[in-house]
Amino acid sequence: AQKVTQAQTEISVVEKEDVTLDCVYETRDTTYYLFWYKQPPSGELVFLIRRNSFDEQNEISGRYSWNFQKSTSSFNFTITASQVVDSAVYFCALSEAWSVPGNQFYFGTGTSLTVIP
Amino acid sequence: DAGITQSPRYKITETGRQVTLMCHQTWSHSYMFWYRQDLGHGLRLIYYSAAADITDKGEVPDGYVVSRSKTENFPLTLESATRSQTSVYFCASSANPEDRQPQHFGDGTRLSIL
Repeated sequence: AQKVTQAQTEISVVEKEDVTLDCVYETRDTTYYLFWYKQPPSGELVFLIRRNSFDEQNEISGRYSWNFQKSTSSFNFTITASQVVDSAVYFCALSEAWSVPGNQFYFGTGTSLTVIP
Repeated sequence: DAGITQSPRYKITETGRQVTLMCHQTWSHSYMFWYRQDLGHGLRLIYYSAAADITDKGEVPDGYVVSRSKTENFPLTLESATRSQTSVYFCASSANPEDRQPQHFGDGTRLSIL
């Protein structure tokens, strides 16, 4: 079973529109971390945010915001007033408690965002 | 601030050959990781290392070998390459000793096996 599901494979928006990337996760652990990464066309992976399971406060960083809801096991990412430079593949990831052998770091399959000028 | 350097950036080899992908970090981070990225699978963990001389298997370790004789280096070796190992490989490290999740990634190695 997928630990992290990003149901949106590809999204296209027109510049200046807002866009939300969905992420649903699955875990039985009470302690875990959630992440978002950006992979632009150049290929490198850029860390965006880490959130632990005890902190449900939403976070805003410039045009980026994240909505963490444990009740729905979701950690959605919104880009406000999108720009062409936001075009990239975005990955959501989950890390479970490492004290249990075998628990690791799980990436979703990514959402490819294209911002049309 | 060089960060994480992977080499080579691109590699083409033949099935059955041994190939080693290099990863070097300049921060002395304790944790290092190797991932492969394939369409439809996202990133999958191959191996990770908690410190020098300590390594452990990830989700897809078969066909790969790692070593960590020095904190700053974490090479990944394909002992007998197969076509299914054609992929993009990312090395990563974590920023804090108690932080076991990768945050910093290298630029990737694109490996093609013919």
